[in-house]
Amino acid sequence: EAQVTQNPRYLITVTGKKLTVTCSQNMNHEYMSWYRQDPGLGLRQIYYSMNVEVTDKGDVPEGYKVSRKEKRNFPLILESPSPNQTSLYFCASSPRTSGTNIQYFGAGTRLSVL
Amino acid sequence: DAKTTQPPSMDCAEGRAANLPCNHSTISGNEYVYWYRQIHSQGPQYIIHGLKNNETNEMASLIITEDRKSSTLILPHATLRDTAVYYCIAMPGGTSYGKLTFGQGTILTVHP
Repeated sequence: EAQVTQNPRYLITVTGKKLTVTCSQNMNHEYMSWYRQDPGLGLRQIYYSMNVEVTDKGDVPEGYKVSRKEKRNFPLILESPSPNQTSLYFCASSPRTSGTNIQYFGAGTRLSVL
Repeated sequence: DAKTTQPPSMDCAEGRAANLPCNHSTISGNEYVYWYRQIHSQGPQYIIHGLKNNETNEMASLIITEDRKSSTLILPHATLRDTAVYYCIAMPGGTSYGKLTFGQGTILTVHP
């Protein structure tokens, strides 16, 4: 089944403890992206990647890192999480098909930083 | 991306058609209309998109007015599982891949 898989789905951690949220897609998509969603603020892009080894900042990149060493994986790294990074996170991928900008989303990771 | 305006909420009876309007009066010629939905805290789900012709797929139909200033998403036989927030977005197609910016959307509630 074609899908975007995020892990973990739920995570509670403490300030300063490094964590990684994994994202994997099995659709051979070149474009991948991370978003966070907060009440009243909508969906905001953190980082995106147009292809392997190509990443760029979105609207809210501070406090996050990403890497794209393989086409299928796009992990989100929080080196030193803070409470303001408590949020619902979504990974998405998209094929580079001319004329479309369809993005497929993972089920989400709900992160709480205490 | 062009601004879109949607009603904040709508109701629909199960089995009936749900017609969700979207206004995008400043849409430019190269911008497509996309519809996504988000069922409570789940990942957003792509529904359909179009440029100027009406489109239909297994989930829904998209009707775009001739002047392209507005569109309507039609769920032909709404079910309880269609209760969700529906987002209309206008953005370029082609190879300009970019972030999705969701507005407030329309909360569709399907009643038994």
